[in-house]
Amino acid sequence: GAVVSQHPSWVICKSGTSVKIECRSLDFQATTMFWYRQFPKQSLMLMATSNEGSKATYEQGVEKDKFLINHASLTLSTLTVTSAHPEDSSFYICSARISGDGGYTFGSGTRLTVV
Amino acid sequence: GENVEQHPSTLSVQEGDSAVIKCTYSDSASNYFPWYKQELGKRPQLIIDIRSNVGEKKDQRIAVTLNKTAKHFSLHITETQPEDSAVYFCAARQAGTALIFGKGTTLSVSS
Repeated sequence: GAVVSQHPSWVICKSGTSVKIECRSLDFQATTMFWYRQFPKQSLMLMATSNEGSKATYEQGVEKDKFLINHASLTLSTLTVTSAHPEDSSFYICSARISGDGGYTFGSGTRLTVV
Repeated sequence: GENVEQHPSTLSVQEGDSAVIKCTYSDSASNYFPWYKQELGKRPQLIIDIRSNVGEKKDQRIAVTLNKTAKHFSLHITETQPEDSAVYFCAARQAGTALIFGKGTTLSVSS
């Protein structure tokens, strides 16, 4: 149980274009979704916290106009990387809390390469 | 906000030896401390976790200890095997918030 499905698993896009990453909770309602970015050989860095029906909260240094987060329903949260540049190339992964303090579940991640 | 420090960044052991990875956290309100194993390009995989009302937890060859006073927790792997080679991350969380991760430890177990 408590599965988060993340798509796409990998994407290559041209500089200046936008890319949307989706995370769906399949068998539970995710009122809160956390978005992380992981550069090669580095840790998972929290980018933002999204709550269903409200604006996302961004961590310091993360551009909210560049990384658009939408959490319009209890089962879907999306991250759109706008006007992507090569330095945005990274592994993006979403995570949701499992109710009842059951820990966290993670999406399978999206490898973004901007060329 | 929470800050998690993890040491060492790399650890090499011989098969059968024990491995210890240590983490410290900054926010005394944190109450949940999981450890993850991550393979390249994959999602983190939970290997063990501990909550602030417990001092130690063990699962076969893996154990975690927590010292709330000192704000540090450690992962202990006994009888290491080559398949234990991976990157390990510790994390900490306050109630209802996101996990904050340490920088990771690359464990290499040689046979």
